[in-house]
Amino acid sequence: NAGVTQTPKFRILKIGQSMTLQCAQDMNHNYMYWYRQDPGMGLKLIYYSVGAGITDKGEVPNGYNVSRSTTEDFPLRLELAAPSQTSVYFCASSYLQGNTEAFFGQGTRLTVV
Amino acid sequence: EDQVTQSPEALRLQEGESSSLNCSYTVSGLRGLFWYRQDPGKGPEFLFTLYSAGEEKEKERLKATLTKKESFLHITAPKPEDSATYLCAVPSGGYQKVTFGTGTKLQVIP
Repeated sequence: NAGVTQTPKFRILKIGQSMTLQCAQDMNHNYMYWYRQDPGMGLKLIYYSVGAGITDKGEVPNGYNVSRSTTEDFPLRLELAAPSQTSVYFCASSYLQGNTEAFFGQGTRLTVV
Repeated sequence: EDQVTQSPEALRLQEGESSSLNCSYTVSGLRGLFWYRQDPGKGPEFLFTLYSAGEEKEKERLKATLTKKESFLHITAPKPEDSATYLCAVPSGGYQKVTFGTGTKLQVIP
């Protein structure tokens, strides 16, 4: 049982480039989340999804987009990367709403130069 | 605005030296409080959910308690493998939104 799988683990982007962070879960969870974690700051919610086809903004959505075409996958798209998007990104999923007892992926460390 | 404050920021213990981590929160209408453990370079790992004041939960050397204003994570006779950052979080705003604290980095020295 793999849980939540994120790819890639590390990535360096140049300013203005775009990329997609992949997230997949194999637990049949309806609820999925994207967070970013910056040094000295708590995890901040970027986007979330309550099921296939349904997504909504979190606390810090600007500069990001998501889609949820299947229960398993929840990719995060960065358009026109900026240095402020340098961060560690975590995908999470949960069976219960409200991010209760969530399972997190290993994270993607992104640097924008 | 909902807030979660954890203290201390860092804690260094000798193996076997018990202590407590604090998580104080300000949220309108508490719908639960979560504790997570995060190892370096990894995602958070769920530990506990507490729902009401007076509730306690235990797992190995860890015990989480909840009052109306704060939660404590008590660590009894810690071992080096308990070294990690411990995060607390509360649901806030909409039903899918959670406010995380900045964590307490615990180091247990053999």
